[in-house]
Amino acid sequence: DVKVTQSSRYLVKRTGEKVFLECVQDMDHENMFWYRQDPGLGLRLIYFSYDVKMKEKGDIPEGYSVSREKKERFSLILESASTNQTSMYLCASSSRKILLNYEQYFGPGTRLTVT
Amino acid sequence: KQEVTQIPAALSVPEGENLVLNCSFTDSAIYNLQWFRQDPGKGLTSLLLIQSSQREQTSGRLNASLDKSSGRSTLYIAASQPGDSATYLCAVRKADYKLSFGAGTTVTVRA
Repeated sequence: DVKVTQSSRYLVKRTGEKVFLECVQDMDHENMFWYRQDPGLGLRLIYFSYDVKMKEKGDIPEGYSVSREKKERFSLILESASTNQTSMYLCASSSRKILLNYEQYFGPGTRLTVT
Repeated sequence: KQEVTQIPAALSVPEGENLVLNCSFTDSAIYNLQWFRQDPGKGLTSLLLIQSSQREQTSGRLNASLDKSSGRSTLYIAASQPGDSATYLCAVRKADYKLSFGAGTTVTVRA
């Protein structure tokens, strides 16, 4: 079974703090994704990575950066947290092998509150 | 830009009734469509993935159909149970790796 884990289920941070969200997958997937989920807005892609050290902006990258130094780990960084970044953050991964249909597998999510 | 819509936003049914969840998308040039389940405060669990060349996909009590030309997919859940209560999301993928998600349908199955 594919396993995607996220470092924290719940996180409370103060405005202006630097925040790191970590995601690890154990299936040797090339692609990894960070989404945020807000009521009424659905899931929106922040960044994705298709290989180590490679990244591409998603739909809402402002205020975020990412790091992928190892294939299994993808980090989301909030350089200076703001209250409008309070949200549920979801990590996902997928293989680039066509036979696996690029199916995305999700982690349990991190509920971040910025006060 | 791909727009994905799920109607209704919420649904409440008595146990045993069949569930019909709808998903529509504006750009029919998709690679595949995926249905997910999300329990409150949790991540997403993949239920079914249906390729653009397929008409339907089945897994147990779940059946998903796809009409790519009209931009529609339907998820059927037979003989609903209280354990089926969750939010169901559909997502479509085009040629790149990204998914476009609908906002979901929240289902409550009453015992």
